Amino acid sequence: DSGVTQTPKHLITATGQRVTLRCSPRSGDLSVYWYQQSLDQGLQFLIQYYNGEERAKGNILERFSAQQFPDLHSELNLSSLELGDSALYFCASSVGAVSLGTDTQYFGPGTRLTVL
Amino acid sequence: AQSVTQLGSHVSVSEGALVLLRCNYSSSVPPYLFWYVQYPNQGLQLLLKYTSAATLVKGINGFEAEFKKSETSFHLTKPSAHMSDAAEYFCAVHTDNQGGKLIFGQGTELSVKP
Repeated sequence: DSGVTQTPKHLITATGQRVTLRCSPRSGDLSVYWYQQSLDQGLQFLIQYYNGEERAKGNILERFSAQQFPDLHSELNLSSLELGDSALYFCASSVGAVSLGTDTQYFGPGTRLTVL
Repeated sequence: AQSVTQLGSHVSVSEGALVLLRCNYSSSVPPYLFWYVQYPNQGLQLLLKYTSAATLVKGINGFEAEFKKSETSFHLTKPSAHMSDAAEYFCAVHTDNQGGKLIFGQGTELSVKP
């Protein structure tokens, strides 16, 4: 158990809908990262928040947005869902901003999103 | 830009045999390198990481990896495979000029035959 929690574990929805994925980082971690894992794209970095502020952005679609709240939990919002958004979405957390590679990212169990 | 290439999407070994999973990286600046393992229906677990302190890195579950700058490689090895090692393994790179993101390879699925 990494200490990172994600809810829900599974999510099934229809095209065009909007969903929210939630992540609680390990106690004491200030950074939260979101990754998407799909069969065709592999593991892709989406976005990082550090202490409530966006710190780094990857290949995140405009239909996707995220935020980190004062209690440090984070939510990833996916809207206007398409079939191709079906994937496993991971959240990870680390102590610092990972400006140094010595900081380790700890991953949650993921949320499996299925868009029908 | 940084990238990671894992050679072989599937590797099969017999129980007790050597495990060798290959990872090559591309980076214009000193990299930090990681190996993660993903068991079925689970998240990623850190096996080991290279942060320039020592080129031979020992991790959990008997795994180790050696950073070879001249070969731009960070191959993962284990002397004797166990059935419980069957999983997917990901190599990842991080550099200080890329914010917090990890760049992952495509993964190698390890099968262990009895």
